[in-house]
Amino acid sequence: GDSVTQKEGLVTLTEGLPVMLNCTYQTIYSNAFLFWYVHYLNESPRLLLKSSTDNKRTEHQGFHATLHKSSSSFHLQKSSAQLSDSALYYCALNSGGSNYKLTFGKGTLLTVTP
Amino acid sequence: DPKIIQKPKYLVAVTGSEKILICEQYLGHNAMYWYRQSAKKPLEFMFSYSYQKLMDNQTASSRFQPQSSKKNHLDLQITALKPDDSATYFCASSQDWGDFAEQFFGPGTRLTVL
Repeated sequence: GDSVTQKEGLVTLTEGLPVMLNCTYQTIYSNAFLFWYVHYLNESPRLLLKSSTDNKRTEHQGFHATLHKSSSSFHLQKSSAQLSDSALYYCALNSGGSNYKLTFGKGTLLTVTP
Repeated sequence: DPKIIQKPKYLVAVTGSEKILICEQYLGHNAMYWYRQSAKKPLEFMFSYSYQKLMDNQTASSRFQPQSSKKNHLDLQITALKPDDSATYFCASSQDWGDFAEQFFGPGTRLTVL
């Protein structure tokens, strides 16, 4: 079945430093969509980025990610971390398949310190 | 105004009892979902509905029963509760089922079974 791996469970950064959260995935389907959801404390998880196009950079709210099908990766990046970026970030896969469900990684808790 | 309402926000139950988790969405979406997040585990897909029809069930137990009285409602009834059922249950919706559209999430119901 589908799977998503986020190796880092916790990332702590100083404000102003670059952010990179890793996401790799496995699926047998070639038309998969990859998503990044952000979950702030006491709020609902919400979509940050999504992509299905190989080697195309997707950007939103200062974050960007590029889907690389050759390496099955969809890493989330930002050039300069802000205190307000502190949140839980989930990478998710929708491979279509037979049910169009989202398969989530375990999440990476990003903490940005002054 | 919140677009997806989940009630209650917190729920404590005793082993063997039955509870219903409420979900209402006001996004005009045709597809609704339930996900569960247990401690230290990723968000896990449970059910998907389209126009009040069950499309997919990934839960192994019949103790979990979705109920859809209206197109914008998808409640989750859980019977014979066990401590392992303790988790945060998220309701989600998307415009339609069977595509790769963004799924919007509610704030979750945190269930604790004693």
